[in-house]
Amino acid sequence: GQQVMQIPQYQHVQEGEDFTTYCNSSTTLSNIQWYKQRPGGHPVFLIQLVKSGEVKKQKRLTFQFGEAKKNSSLHITATQTTDVGTYFCAPAVIGDYKLSFGAGTTVTVRA
Amino acid sequence: GAVVSQHPSWVICKSGTSVKIECRSLDFQATTMFWYRQFPKQSLMLMATSNEGSKATYEQGVEKDKFLINHASLTLSTLTVTSAHPEDSSFYICSANLLANTDTQYFGPGTRLTVL
Repeated sequence: GQQVMQIPQYQHVQEGEDFTTYCNSSTTLSNIQWYKQRPGGHPVFLIQLVKSGEVKKQKRLTFQFGEAKKNSSLHITATQTTDVGTYFCAPAVIGDYKLSFGAGTTVTVRA
Repeated sequence: GAVVSQHPSWVICKSGTSVKIECRSLDFQATTMFWYRQFPKQSLMLMATSNEGSKATYEQGVEKDKFLINHASLTLSTLTVTSAHPEDSSFYICSANLLANTDTQYFGPGTRLTVL
């Protein structure tokens, strides 16, 4: 699978603030998916990005795929306690349905 | 939505015993299922791809004789950890692709294995 680096590994956020987590690859990706795993839970699919420069929004979450399709980001505005968890990016390869998960960004929120 | 179940949700066993974990797709058929292992505070590591009606494909470094995978039907895959040792203690998670959309994976709730 494709190897990606996620930064930061940990993100401590004050409730109400914004933050961004990044996913970077040294190679061009065909598409990338994002998952969220709550503490003690299992990964839940959030979004898939396919097109160069694609931007998708889900309420307070904004996902972006870079123009070169080598990086992706997740931006959360007005962080809430429900945003606590680990966010993983996972690139996929066309014809190979395996996913290779990044290390994840673990988010904690200060009330 | 697509629902994947796992059984058991947790298991404690003695060293040297074998443990079977089931992964079922409840409301869809899945020709392909995946098995992951996740150690505390780490990411998911793909162990193998389970293909219905054929042999599983194992990732590099995963012992196929130790982690037996059977995908006997379009809704069931099983992972058997044979001769389990304490270092096999981990969170095992399965996922499945919808037939119509093979990119997105739907994950089961996971099985926490503790080997004493």
